[in-house]
Amino acid sequence: GAVVSQHPSWVICKSGTSVKIECRSLDFQATTMFWYRQFPKQSLMLMATSNEGSKATYEQGVEKDKFLINHASLTLSTLTVTSAHPEDSSFYICSASEDDEQYFGPGTRLTVT
Amino acid sequence: GQNIDQPTEMTATEGAIVQINCTYQTSGFNGLFWYQQHAGEAPTFLSYNVLDGLEEKGRFSSFLSRSKGYSYLLLKELQMKDSASYLCAVMDSNYQLIWGAGTKLIIKP
Repeated sequence: GAVVSQHPSWVICKSGTSVKIECRSLDFQATTMFWYRQFPKQSLMLMATSNEGSKATYEQGVEKDKFLINHASLTLSTLTVTSAHPEDSSFYICSASEDDEQYFGPGTRLTVT
Repeated sequence: GQNIDQPTEMTATEGAIVQINCTYQTSGFNGLFWYQQHAGEAPTFLSYNVLDGLEEKGRFSSFLSRSKGYSYLLLKELQMKDSASYLCAVMDSNYQLIWGAGTKLIIKP
């Protein structure tokens, strides 16, 4: 089946620094990738939808200048959390879409100290 | 390796009850999630189980047996709007989510 990977799995950074999270579709080409934030034991909140070669579409309330998304190729999308604050500490999950199916990555746990 | 199994597709009748099973083999266990996803929409959270037993939330219930590596989602009084994909995901010892492929539930009148 289709596999989506994320790197890194865990990251700890200091307040004010930037962190980049990669999302890769390993065995298929994904024209669309999604970035989610998971609140503890709760819902996945859709942050943005990225299409290869174009600007990402952000959900209401998500700061596009803080959460930079780049979908440079059909197999890679990156999420950069800029000037991270402790409240950005969370579990970030990406998914990649092939035809009508959506495949989820294992997530990246970000802790900002 | 790590593995989550759930049926690809199920069909049920409006007003009936359906049980969607999920079996898992993971390195460690930090909880099991069920999500509902309608086509073209983000998944919505249904349940989180970390202890054995049944948790009931209205028409939806989720059961977990850690010793058997088994969970099920029970949907009662099915409505047409319950037609969706149901995703089972397990958080392993590294707090990574291992996702099932999802079960497409088709509700017929």
